[in-house]
Amino acid sequence: RKEVEQDPGPFNVPEGATVAFNCTYSNSASQSFFWYRQDCRKEPKLLMSVYSSGNEDGRFTAQLNRASQYISLLIRDSKLSDSATYLCVVNRNTNAGKSTFGDGTTLTVKP
Amino acid sequence: DGGITQSPKYLFRKEGQNVTLSCEQNLNHDAMYWYRQDPGQGLRLIYYSQIVNDFQKGDIAEGYSVSREKKESFPLTVTSAQKNPTAFYLCASRSGANRGNTIYFGEGSWLTVV
Repeated sequence: RKEVEQDPGPFNVPEGATVAFNCTYSNSASQSFFWYRQDCRKEPKLLMSVYSSGNEDGRFTAQLNRASQYISLLIRDSKLSDSATYLCVVNRNTNAGKSTFGDGTTLTVKP
Repeated sequence: DGGITQSPKYLFRKEGQNVTLSCEQNLNHDAMYWYRQDPGQGLRLIYYSQIVNDFQKGDIAEGYSVSREKKESFPLTVTSAQKNPTAFYLCASRSGANRGNTIYFGEGSWLTVV
């Protein structure tokens, strides 16, 4: 079993749709969690951190469920510009050490 | 501006040659990472370093080597022992817990074996 697993995708949705991605992790000692966005042939860029209390940034909401060991990303009112691959990241330690990425979920938003 | 600089952006290598990819950061981060990404695939960890003069193998270290002689620099050498080196290589560094524990990436290096 992979240490971090994401919904396989791809997700093809119309503009304005709400879409949700999940990411599960196997190491219960994991400390910090993030969602990154990667455009085609570009480096990943931080989308948002994920906190236990949940956090929201505009149309994006991230949540962490430690009991079930998963994180989620909700995108409301999808835009064409949201089309990208979304990667979840799980860090074991708070300061350094191994950071593990999921394989990513590809989202295509269509007119 | 602070950031991570990778060079070269595009590199062509003949079979049997070693090549070194440069990665420099001026973010004052202790931790640095090298990932490999194949087309349509996720990121796989090659090596990481938590502090100067120390580094650990990641999930796919065979055929690669690194050094960490300075905090700012974490070069990756792709050796001739790596049988399928054509890929997109990403260098990253990570801020400490007091600054969000966030990973930042360079723009990547595309390596093609010809």
